[in-house]
Amino acid sequence: GAGVSQSPSNKVTEKGKDVELRCDPISGHTALYWYRQSLGQGLEFLIYFQGNSAPDKSGLPSDRFSAERTGGSVSTLTIQRTQQEDSAVYLCASSLGPAGGQDEQFFGPGTRLTVL
Amino acid sequence: AQKVTQAQTEISVVEKEDVTLDCVYETRDTTYYLFWYKQPPSGELVFLIRRNSFDEQNEISGRYSWNFQKSTSSFNFTITASQVVDSAVYFCALFNTNAGKSTFGDGTTLTVKP
Repeated sequence: GAGVSQSPSNKVTEKGKDVELRCDPISGHTALYWYRQSLGQGLEFLIYFQGNSAPDKSGLPSDRFSAERTGGSVSTLTIQRTQQEDSAVYLCASSLGPAGGQDEQFFGPGTRLTVL
Repeated sequence: AQKVTQAQTEISVVEKEDVTLDCVYETRDTTYYLFWYKQPPSGELVFLIRRNSFDEQNEISGRYSWNFQKSTSSFNFTITASQVVDSAVYFCALFNTNAGKSTFGDGTTLTVKP
């Protein structure tokens, strides 16, 4: 497809388990973003990549969260030792030009994470 | 630090009414971009409009119009003659050209009743 895709669409896990969320951006988009949206809340910015580089990781909620991007394309967001407060929809977006610039971000459908 | 405030958490109107969604932002940057996104019940965010900090020209697109006033740091969005299909959560966002960080407001839930 031509849009941003994310997998899985839904993930239910037990507290303490690790999870890995995947994002496939639009081909050719140089910037990639991760957000978290809790139920009924706004978007919480987590991290962005320009190419494979993440210049600022301060938005990650804790050291249990990590993200990487390879080949300037696919990105994975990993949450270790999940907690119930990690339950949310994790959204990925990509944009053609440099991060934070004029190009709109195209959003994926999100991964709904539920930690039991 | 930058911040986007959407003071209206929820708005309910009757079809055909006009409605304005407010957005106030804070940033120290002189160059930045403002966006509005729509999140319908299906969940996927849809881009509506972009404005750069040097372009204060208002824009109209069909029933949608935007009023950008740099003097008051506001970027308000008006829907004229609202329709039930306009029911969604609307987010205002600020993109920081220097740091790549995006800041979204908490969103305004618009309900248009028939």
